[in-house]
Amino acid sequence: GAGVSQSPSNKVTEKGKDVELRCDPISGHTALYWYRQSLGQGLEFLIYFQGNSAPDKSGLPSDRFSAERTGGSVSTLTIQRTQQEDSAVYLCASSQTPGTGYEQYFGPGTRLTVT
Amino acid sequence: DQQVKQNSPSLSVQEGRISILNCDYTNSMFDYFLWYKKYPAEGPTFLISISSIKDKNEDGRFTVFLNKSAKHLSLHIVPSQPGDSAVYFCAASGGNNNDMRFGAGTRLTVKP
Repeated sequence: GAGVSQSPSNKVTEKGKDVELRCDPISGHTALYWYRQSLGQGLEFLIYFQGNSAPDKSGLPSDRFSAERTGGSVSTLTIQRTQQEDSAVYLCASSQTPGTGYEQYFGPGTRLTVT
Repeated sequence: DQQVKQNSPSLSVQEGRISILNCDYTNSMFDYFLWYKKYPAEGPTFLISISSIKDKNEDGRFTVFLNKSAKHLSLHIVPSQPGDSAVYFCAASGGNNNDMRFGAGTRLTVKP
């Protein structure tokens, strides 16, 4: 079956511009996560959606970052007024259920470069 | 704060030998641990997991060991194959958190 998809695969933007990154999770997965991986760093948790509950935004690095998930499926991560330190690979993952004892399925990521 | 640490950024092993990747964590609330494997230009894929009620889980050539008292886990790959060359991420979750904490990754190179 189809896995997690993300678009675009690559995005180059100028400092100060806004960007939107899209994630299509696996159908039926109720949990959706956004992570980012900066060069030489591990995967940094950003935000988590579970069903219709309020998202866990505890990992968002600043108020320039926001995300929404429409209809419990597709999610969009928006970065406003991008900065060079926002350059990273942004990964989306989904899973059937949250909590322990689950595995997450990752998309291929969006490589964001802020010039 | 880095709650999951992989202190070796890279590891090189000869084909057929054992690869041992290490991971340390600081949060005693973690009760589920996973290893993910990542090839270039792809997202991480799940490899093997272990819950805190166990100290060993084996799946084919892959075995994960958990030492709760030391807050340490390791992934053993034996025999190592060139196709195992990838970045391996250790991850942990548990307690009241719904998110998963990842280490920085270890790049494994298996030489033919």
